[in-house]
Amino acid sequence: ILNVEQSPQSLHVQEGDSTNFTCSFPSSNFYALHWYRWETAKSPEALFVMTLNGDEKKKGRISATLNTKEGYSYLYIKGSQPEDSATYLCAFEDDYKLSFGAGTTVTVRA
Amino acid sequence: SAVISQKPSRDICQRGTSLTIQCQVDSQVTMMFWYRQQPGQSLTLIATANQGSEATYESGFVIDKFPISRPNLTFSTLTVSNMSPEDSSIYLCSVGGAEKLFFGSGTQLSVL
Repeated sequence: ILNVEQSPQSLHVQEGDSTNFTCSFPSSNFYALHWYRWETAKSPEALFVMTLNGDEKKKGRISATLNTKEGYSYLYIKGSQPEDSATYLCAFEDDYKLSFGAGTTVTVRA
Repeated sequence: SAVISQKPSRDICQRGTSLTIQCQVDSQVTMMFWYRQQPGQSLTLIATANQGSEATYESGFVIDKFPISRPNLTFSTLTVSNMSPEDSSIYLCSVGGAEKLFFGSGTQLSVL
């Protein structure tokens, strides 16, 4: 079982504010890092797959960066909206399997 | 992409009983995966279900506790047997590869 840690566990953001949070993973034998978004009562959905050190991915107001040498990824939400409220999971890919973190739950207050 | 119907969406069960969770996929898939997320914990892979063969269980999970059926390429069930409060979790089925997983909407299980 690989140690994938996410922090903080939860955060509250005012609508319109920007925020970011962290995923830490083993820096050795890196293959890929995934981000998923999981809204309440819905299925988790894939956001990004990141494979190269220095990768930056963007989808609308959400973006992510990757540092494989130090073993961390940041996910950013710019100008948070209530529909961004969800749990964001990162997952470390190893041997064709995903090891997930416990997630960061984001609540956007109107 | 794949659309997965999972049921029940939630249930409250008494300890010592069993619950079977069903997942139906809108296309044929070779492998289906079953995950569990206990409160405050990571989403953890329970087992991989292949059609026509026994499921492959991850460390810490056993067939007697989590029997899985995979009768065809679009359907699978996971049974949580002899439940205890520690089994209270969200259970998810998924399909796809490591490059991208598609999930069911989950089963919220509470064991009293």
